[in-house]
Amino acid sequence: GAVVSQHPSWVICKSGTSVKIECRSLDFQATTMFWYRQFPKQSLMLMATSNEGSKATYEQGVEKDKFLINHASLTLSTLTVTSAHPEDSSFYICSARHLGANTGELFFGEGSRLTVL
Amino acid sequence: AQKITQTQPGMFVQEKEAVTLDCTYDTSDPSYGLFWYKQPSSGEMIFLIYQGSYDQQNATEGRYSLNFQKARKSANLVISASQLGDSAMYFCAMRGVDSSYKLIFGSGTRLLVRP
Repeated sequence: GAVVSQHPSWVICKSGTSVKIECRSLDFQATTMFWYRQFPKQSLMLMATSNEGSKATYEQGVEKDKFLINHASLTLSTLTVTSAHPEDSSFYICSARHLGANTGELFFGEGSRLTVL
Repeated sequence: AQKITQTQPGMFVQEKEAVTLDCTYDTSDPSYGLFWYKQPSSGEMIFLIYQGSYDQQNATEGRYSLNFQKARKSANLVISASQLGDSAMYFCAMRGVDSSYKLIFGSGTRLLVRP
């Protein structure tokens, strides 16, 4: 099946620093990837849609300058949390659409748990 | 606007028994897709089953089946012969007709399988 990999799985950083999370589709090309955020015991909230070669589309209420998304190739999207603060601590999970999956199902990465001290 | 509702925060089921996880949805789109994902404690999202709005038959995938009642706008997940490994969070999700293929998720149901 289609594999999506995220890196790093865990990251701890100091307040004020920036953190980059990578999302890679390992065995397929993904023109569209999605970034979700999940707080403990809560659902996944869509942050933005990442389109290869163009600007990301952010959901209402998501700060574009805070969460920078780059989708420079068909297999890689990155999420950079800039000037991180403790309230940015969360589980970030990416997903990619596999064009070959006729149901339109999304394949998810393993997630990245960010803790900002 | 699309909305997914899961009214069961938590469910218990005895091992080897069947369990139904509820999901209702709201959309004005005539064409949509409904999904169920499983999220173990490790965090990854595992695709379980898909139902298209125009599918005539309820979807089945092994021990998973989707009880799709279009008029009631419900898409309940039925897990038969529960196993201890089924203990996890379960999310219902919907995809609309726009070309982005983004999924909107419900609040989830935590299922605990008792031995």
